[in-house]
Amino acid sequence: GAVVSQHPSRVICKSGTSVKIECRSLDFQATTMFWYRQFPKQSLMLMATSNEGSKATYEQGVEKDKFLINHASLTLSTLTVTSAHPEDSSFYICSVYSGVGYEQYFGPGTRLTVT
Amino acid sequence: RKEVEQDPGPFNVPEGATVAFNCTYSNSASQSFFWYRQDCRKEPKLLMSVYSSGNEDGRFTAQLNRASQYISLLIRDSKLSDSATYLCVVNVGISNFGNEKLTFGTGTRLTIIP
Repeated sequence: GAVVSQHPSRVICKSGTSVKIECRSLDFQATTMFWYRQFPKQSLMLMATSNEGSKATYEQGVEKDKFLINHASLTLSTLTVTSAHPEDSSFYICSVYSGVGYEQYFGPGTRLTVT
Repeated sequence: RKEVEQDPGPFNVPEGATVAFNCTYSNSASQSFFWYRQDCRKEPKLLMSVYSSGNEDGRFTAQLNRASQYISLLIRDSKLSDSATYLCVVNVGISNFGNEKLTFGTGTRLTIIP
């Protein structure tokens, strides 16, 4: 499957600061990437679909002005959590659509803790 | 009703036993189905896709029943390394760019006991 990296793997920040998370597709060009969030003991929830060269598509209930997504190249998408608050503390995971059988491959995730 | 429902478990099973997980989905128009496994504090990893005719990959067998909107995963001769959370994943709708959006169940936690 596709190799996907994320950076950073873990971040702790103070309330009110912004945090940028990078997602890279290392071995193929990804027109579409997905951003998910997972709270403890809950399932992954799709936040947005990131499309190269155009605006991201956000799921209902996800604030686009708070979670800024930039998919500037075929190998990189970034998610910026602006003015983070403790309730934003979660496991953020990106995925890449493989283009084969609708399978998605996931990055290792970024664990965000807002104090 | 949740879009994808799974028994959360936990399932505590002795090594070498056979274990089965079930999953139901609510959208009858769903076309693609998967089982992922997720280890503690890690990302999900694709275990296998689920095809209409059923499919097998080594000790793992997946079945799909479209009439009942039901998916199953069978693990035979379970190993300690099979301990993980197993996620049932179903496509729901089509994103603007023609790619499928996936909906995840909450997962079934499996622990294999030595």
